Amino acid sequence: SQQGEEDPQALSIQEGENATMNCSYKTSINNLQWYRQNSGRGLVHLILIRSNEREKHSGRLRVTLDTSKKSSSLLITASRAADTASYFCATDDSGGGADGLTFGKGTHLIIQP
Amino acid sequence: NAGVTQTPKFRVLKTGQSMTLLCAQDMNHEYMYWYRQDPGMGLRLIHYSVGEGTTAKGEVPDGYNVSRLKKQNFLLGLESAAPSQTSVYFCASSSDSGSQNVDHEQFFGPGTRLTVL
Repeated sequence: SQQGEEDPQALSIQEGENATMNCSYKTSINNLQWYRQNSGRGLVHLILIRSNEREKHSGRLRVTLDTSKKSSSLLITASRAADTASYFCATDDSGGGADGLTFGKGTHLIIQP
Repeated sequence: NAGVTQTPKFRVLKTGQSMTLLCAQDMNHEYMYWYRQDPGMGLRLIHYSVGEGTTAKGEVPDGYNVSRLKKQNFLLGLESAAPSQTSVYFCASSSDSGSQNVDHEQFFGPGTRLTVL
């Protein structure tokens, strides 16, 4: 199965700065999703971008998708201490079959107050 | 709505013991999933179900069995636990709008932390 790969594995920035995380994947997809996981908790869906979309915004989040390079980026603007978490990209290549998502290993983001 | 719930939250087993993890969702979702998460790794799909009475294998199904007797419940069983099954297990669910090419955003439970000694 394909596997997304996030880059960097860990990122530490100052509160108020922007955080950018990247994700690469291997095969064609239906959509790509980003999830956040706080320590010891389940995953929470952040944003979804379809394969025919190039950019999407949600609050302080901006996601881009480049299907020719098989890559995506997640930008969090004006970071806050509460954004400290692990962020995972997940690809849906089910084509409507809903046979699960394929997750990357995640980026651990630390926001320094 | 409680969303997706999982029981138990923690469990310690000895090698060879069996147990069942229960996942329940109150969102009337058609699709349900079991993933495992190991340190420094993303989630890997164990089994999934696209409807009541149906199940299918995911990426890492060996050593696990599942059942979906009721739409709202998805059970994950370990018949003979092994140390390699020490992990955090997450259940998730998603809806089906009934049409092709839908977006399957998944809703996750809080996880079950399992240790096999």
